[in-house]
Amino acid sequence: DTEVTQTPKHLVMGMTNKKSLKCEQHMGHRAMYWYKQKAKKPPELMFVYSYEKLSINESVPSRFSPECPNSSLLNLHLHALQPEDSALYLCASSLNSGANVLTFGAGSRLTVL
Amino acid sequence: GENVEQHPSTLSVQEGDSAVIKCTYSDSASNYFPWYKQELGKRPQLIIDIRSNVGEKKDQRIAVTLNKTAKHFSLHITETQPEDSAVYFCAASSARGSTLGRLYFGRGTQLTVWP
Repeated sequence: DTEVTQTPKHLVMGMTNKKSLKCEQHMGHRAMYWYKQKAKKPPELMFVYSYEKLSINESVPSRFSPECPNSSLLNLHLHALQPEDSALYLCASSLNSGANVLTFGAGSRLTVL
Repeated sequence: GENVEQHPSTLSVQEGDSAVIKCTYSDSASNYFPWYKQELGKRPQLIIDIRSNVGEKKDQRIAVTLNKTAKHFSLHITETQPEDSAVYFCAASSARGSTLGRLYFGRGTQLTVWP
């Protein structure tokens, strides 16, 4: 398996909802990432997990809460989001955080009403 | 931290022509330079990458060159085809402690190949 799988593909939520994005890989990668991407812009790093521990938080608002239950899974819990949080959320993984070569998932398209 | 500049922001070429996209970086510790292609509504996909111990790398119609002294690297696509139309992002990263795990992206180039 050489893929990063993200669910759901599309999500629409109100500002008071709580939802989660899920990411899974079975390549034995020990670093996993959440990126946010707006239209026609490059991906922006949000969080990095290395060996299931949070190693980078790019000053992301607390309404985004990451979780890494095990080496294959990465979640992003969403609560009280704002319309400007609407974006494509990309999960990625790499062998380790120093290995650089990222494999991206197809993304979850989030719309906040 | 690292700053990656990418030019041009848009590029239109006729099918069969060559396309060149250029990037500069600021951190001399950067040692890995990938290029990603992102088609509309799709994920970024790695198309080629180069490490700082190599000056040039080629894969069929795609090549990347790196000039460490000048801190710039370029993507060259020859014999362009309409399916090459996409946004291309350059990026840079290093294994230095403070930047470990960070991939710094350029702003992207929208390449359009006209048949």
